[in-house]
Order: sequence, then C-alpha cells, then structure tokens
Amino acid sequence: ELKVEQNPLFLSMQEGKNYTIYCNYSTTSDRLYWYRQDPGKSLESLFVLLSNGAVKQEGRLMASLDTKARLSTLHITAAVHDLSATYFCAVDMESNFGNEKLTFGTGTRLTIIP
Amino acid sequence: DTEVTQTPKHLVMGMTNKKSLKCEQHMGHRAMYWYKQKAKKPPELMFVYSYEKLSINESVPSRFSPECPNSSLLNLHLHALQPEDSALYLCASSLDGQWVSSYNEQFFGPGTRLTVL
Repeated sequence: ELKVEQNPLFLSMQEGKNYTIYCNYSTTSDRLYWYRQDPGKSLESLFVLLSNGAVKQEGRLMASLDTKARLSTLHITAAVHDLSATYFCAVDMESNFGNEKLTFGTGTRLTIIP
Repeated sequence: DTEVTQTPKHLVMGMTNKKSLKCEQHMGHRAMYWYKQKAKKPPELMFVYSYEKLSINESVPSRFSPECPNSSLLNLHLHALQPEDSALYLCASSLDGQWVSSYNEQFFGPGTRLTVL
C-alpha cells in the first residue's frame, strides 16, 4: 500500500523567512503533484512534476522531485501572508485497472505570521 | 471553459433522505473522480470514471451510488447516509485517466459541503 507522508504537519513561520515542506512516498512513482487548499475551499493545482530531477517555480514557491529518494520538496522563499494555506502533495500511481490513481499526503498547514 | 462545477454548494439531509450531487466539466476530459474529505484530512478517493465507465470503486458503501450520464457529467446519488458521512465531497476531472498517458493533472471543483443529521 502506498504511503505518502509530509512533514511538518503544521508550520508557523514569520513573513520574510524561508522554509521547506517535505513529501516522502513509499513506492516507485515519477509523477507527483502539489496542491494548495484554503480553509473551506477546493484544491488548487500548484505544480506538476513528471520526472526525476524536475524543478518547477512559481513566484515564491519552488517544487522539486527526486524519484530515487522518493522525495519531493516545496520550498517557500521570503514568505508572505497570502501563502497561508494547507499544502498537499499527491503521488500518481497505476491502479490495478490501468488507471491513474492519486494518493494524497497528510497535508501541511502553513501559517504565515506578520 | 476551464473549470469543474459542482452543485449544490451546501446540502443538509436526514438519514432517510435521497439526494444527489452533481459535477460538470466542459474541458473535454474523459476521466472524472469523486473524493471525500473530512475536516483537516487529505482527500480520499471514492470512485473513478474513465471514458464513462466506472473503473475504480474504493470499497465505498452502497449508500453512495455514482453515475456518469455522459463525458461531461458526474453524479453521486446519496441514500440512507449516516452522520459520519458528513464531509466535503470533491469532484475532479483529468484529460485521460489512463496510466499510459504522460500525465493526468486533476482539476478539482469547489466541492459540496454535506451535513447528515
């Protein structure tokens, strides 16, 4: 059974600081996604990582994927209050029926403190 | 049109009621998904439809009954639910849903907040 773990689960950081969220998964996959969820809202797609060594950046967020280590990171640079949200990684794998299936990580609740 | 829509936004129902959730997309996607999300937890996959056929049922109780009338629509019929079924129900769609595709980024709808009394 695929397990996807994120750490930390909770993160409070001051504005202007840098930090990294880690996503570890337990089986082979070279497709990983990062999503953002605001309270009571749906999931917004942030990054799609499709191969070992993939790196994507958007604004103050940068995501990377190391398939050999089964690890993805989401790095936050010079955090601002608008980045406060819950961040999920999701690993894509093949189901028994040949379809793709996403398994979500535990989530990291990020709070940016002024 | 680049979004997934869901109705209703909120639903309150008794344990003896029958209701339906609706999801629609017009992006030409051929895979559609239902997820259940409890508070402060990640989404959990319930069902996957690929090319209008049910391809994954994650051992969901029969009181939840999915239906895919066409490639743009996905319904979730609810009957005799329990209070523990109260959650946010999310619909998503992706281009193909087949593993052989290069990738299948899933796009999520706004969700239906369901409360079972």
